[in-house]
Amino acid sequence: GENVEQHPSTLSVQEGDSAVIKCTYSDSASNYFPWYKQELGKGPQLIIDIRSNVGEKKDQRIAVTLNKTAKHFSLHITETQPEDSAVYFCAADHNNNDMRFGAGTRLTVKP
Amino acid sequence: DTAVSQTPKYLVTQMGNDKSIKCEQNLGHDTMYWYKQDSKKFLKIMFSYNNKELIINETVPNRFSPKSPDKAHLNLHINSLELGDSAVYFCASSQKVANEQFFGPGTRLTVL
Repeated sequence: GENVEQHPSTLSVQEGDSAVIKCTYSDSASNYFPWYKQELGKGPQLIIDIRSNVGEKKDQRIAVTLNKTAKHFSLHITETQPEDSAVYFCAADHNNNDMRFGAGTRLTVKP
Repeated sequence: DTAVSQTPKYLVTQMGNDKSIKCEQNLGHDTMYWYKQDSKKFLKIMFSYNNKELIINETVPNRFSPKSPDKAHLNLHINSLELGDSAVYFCASSQKVANEQFFGPGTRLTVL
């Protein structure tokens, strides 16, 4: 089955610096790769997603890159702010039945 | 207006009891899910329902049973609760499987 691995598990950066979170997946049939942000006490919320027909997508300070050959995708956050502090999850679709999530990255942005 | 709602938000109960968590979505989505999030924040898919039919059932004990009275609702029933069932349970919905999922606020279950 699909196995999604996510690194690092924790990440601490200074305000204004960039943050990068990386994920790998095992199912070559996966085509949809979303990223979710989970704030304390809340459910995960989609921040950006990418499909396999593109290699990069950007939305203001966040961007996602996808390398289908290597089966990895990354989240890039530039000019980080304290409110970016949260747990971030990558995910990949599996067998057209469900999404498999990575283990999460706890990002802390220090002011 | 809340897109995906869950009740209750908190549930504290004794081992061996039977409990239910309710979920409703008003987005008109075809697919609904239940996830379990443990203390380490790992999100594990438990069930998903597509047009009222169960399409996956991960290695979840049969003490857990999803029930969907209609497309907008997916309730989770848990029998004979165990200590290890303590976690936050999230309901989610999406238009199709490989689409954005909208998560509910979560139900924190504590089994004593």
